[in-house]
Amino acid sequence: ENVLTQSPGTLSLSPGERATLSCRASQSVSNNYLAWYQQKPGQTPRLLIYGVSSRATGIPDRFSGSGSGTDFTLTISRLEPEDFAVYYCQQYGISPPPFGPGTKVDIK
Amino acid sequence: EVRLVESGGGLVKPGGSLRLSCAASGFTFRTYSMNWVRQVPGKGLEWVSSISTIGDLKNYADSARGRFTISRDNAQNSLFLQMRTLRAEDTAVYYCARGILSYPGYFDLWGRGTPVTVSS
Repeated sequence: ENVLTQSPGTLSLSPGERATLSCRASQSVSNNYLAWYQQKPGQTPRLLIYGVSSRATGIPDRFSGSGSGTDFTLTISRLEPEDFAVYYCQQYGISPPPFGPGTKVDIK
Repeated sequence: EVRLVESGGGLVKPGGSLRLSCAASGFTFRTYSMNWVRQVPGKGLEWVSSISTIGDLKNYADSARGRFTISRDNAQNSLFLQMRTLRAEDTAVYYCARGILSYPGYFDLWGRGTPVTVSS
């Protein structure tokens, strides 16, 4: 069973700054089956990225994903006020499809 | 409108049972794998169970195996989760989510969730 860890736990930044979120897997992620989700308080999770770097429909291009093997990154190039949320990575295509514990991006 | 709507959550005593439902609309339900994911308030996401398009494949988290049963009715565009022998640690919001690509896939559409509270 693959275990995903995310760092940092909390990232405190100001609007306009760049956010870099890390997701590390205990075993290599095959087929680049790595997704990222955003969840705002009181809301349902929303798919941002799949296949490591493909943006889901309607996701702005300030969100980008990269990485391979066991190390993956979600980058938000310039934080907008609506981007302050919790971000989860997930490996899919396997069972169980694990989620990382999340990184909270909050306003500095 | 493409959406998923969960129902059936509520307050149940430890050892009790509950059946969650998820009604799908706006897309061809039978062509997608489906999933249940739960979240303890204030905590992270935990995958619970997945079912393939025709229901021939079912997978469960260790925490759910043997107590929960996932099923679907493609004619009724509905997903279900039968939960038995409920424990306090099953208390969470339960989301149904549509799966894309390699089963169980990534989750591109989520419902708003239904809360389950297990307490005496």
